[in-house]
Amino acid sequence: NAGVMQNPRHLVRRRGQEARLRCSPMKGHSHVYWYRQLPEEGLKFMVYLQKENIIDESGMPKERFSAEFPKEGPSILRIQQVVRGDSAAYFCASSPNGQGGDTQYFGPGTRLTVL
Amino acid sequence: AQSVTQPDIHITVSEGASLELRCNYSYGATPYLFWYVQSPGQGLQLLLKYFSGDTLVQGIKGFEAEFKRSQSSFNLRKPSVHWSDAAEYFCAVGSYNQGGKLIFGQGTELSVKP
Repeated sequence: NAGVMQNPRHLVRRRGQEARLRCSPMKGHSHVYWYRQLPEEGLKFMVYLQKENIIDESGMPKERFSAEFPKEGPSILRIQQVVRGDSAAYFCASSPNGQGGDTQYFGPGTRLTVL
Repeated sequence: AQSVTQPDIHITVSEGASLELRCNYSYGATPYLFWYVQSPGQGLQLLLKYFSGDTLVQGIKGFEAEFKRSQSSFNLRKPSVHWSDAAEYFCAVGSYNQGGKLIFGQGTELSVKP
């Protein structure tokens, strides 16, 4: 029973390049959350998606960041024109129902380094 | 707005000693409360959660937490710490009407002395 999968685990980009982070939820889960963890900080909510829909993007920076969760395939967090301040660990979590009491199961994260 | 405060950034305890990690939350209604553990370079693993019923919640690895509404607290405890418990611990709050979005505290890093 595979858990939440994220790839790549580590990603290095130069300033101005694009970063694409992938997340495959647990089998049977149709709700995906993305969180960002800056060094020495807790996790900050970015976006919540269901299949083909963005439900809550209140934590997403207004520019350069986008997310999708297509009908088929993994959820993608895309960061255009990366800057040094984007260096962080990005975690994806999934849940079965998207309700407040649901347990969210986290992936191992993608550690993005911007040179 | 919801918020979570973990007052202790770093705690060191001796192996075999008891542990209490503090968590205070701010939320208007009854929250859903979670404790997660993160080992270095890893993702987060759920230790326990509370959303109704008995205010003393048992979790995995011998951890427990007590919800105290009057103090807006959800402290994590373990009677006897093992060296393998060294990790970062996060308290988080969710709510029924926010679709499962979690608000995390800043984390408490636990070190265990032999």
